[in-house]
Amino acid sequence: GNSVTQMEGPVTLSEEAFLTINCTYTATGYPSLFWYVQYPGEGLQLLLKATKADDKGSNKGFEATYRKETTSFHLEKGSVQVSDSAVYFCALTLYNQGGKLIFGQGTELSVKP
Amino acid sequence: DADVTQTPRNRITKTGKRIMLECSQTKGHDRMYWYRQDPGLGLRLIYYSFDVKDINKGEISDGYSVSRQAQAKFSLSLESAIPNQTALYFCATSDTLVATSTDTQYFGPGTRLTVL
Repeated sequence: GNSVTQMEGPVTLSEEAFLTINCTYTATGYPSLFWYVQYPGEGLQLLLKATKADDKGSNKGFEATYRKETTSFHLEKGSVQVSDSAVYFCALTLYNQGGKLIFGQGTELSVKP
Repeated sequence: DADVTQTPRNRITKTGKRIMLECSQTKGHDRMYWYRQDPGLGLRLIYYSFDVKDINKGEISDGYSVSRQAQAKFSLSLESAIPNQTALYFCATSDTLVATSTDTQYFGPGTRLTVL
């Protein structure tokens, strides 16, 4: 079946540290890949996406590269800020699936000053 | 004003009660979705609707029903609530009828439901 697996949290970093959140997927087809972010008390919002192999999605200093050979879409940021503290969800959707998202379990990030 | 709103934001109810969660959107999107979020499980799809006449079951539809009253409104009902339906519920919308896989979904703020 189709699934997404993320590294377990919580992840605690100091401000300006480098961030990696691992995400791997299993898909019966050629998925599009997404990172959504959920700030405390809010709904999810799209952070970045990539629709084909070797595409790099980027936004707000975050990046993720679609790696078909390793079925991965790891999220990275070179220097995190306290305001990046949130829960991050990796997700996929498949063509002709009506845009239905399949989510990973989420990774909580806490950034300390 | 928020584009996707959910009411109520918090609800505590008792086992066996019927409860309705409502979602409204001003984005003009045709597609709407209901998810539930449980700790350690991410979000799972309950129901989705491509338009007023097209409603589909998602991954975990048992114990839930939905109603698409208008393009802008999509309600989720628990006919007889049970404690394992305690969760955070999200409504989402997306903006195309074309079966593309690159849609962005826009989420409401969520409803925290507790079933005692």
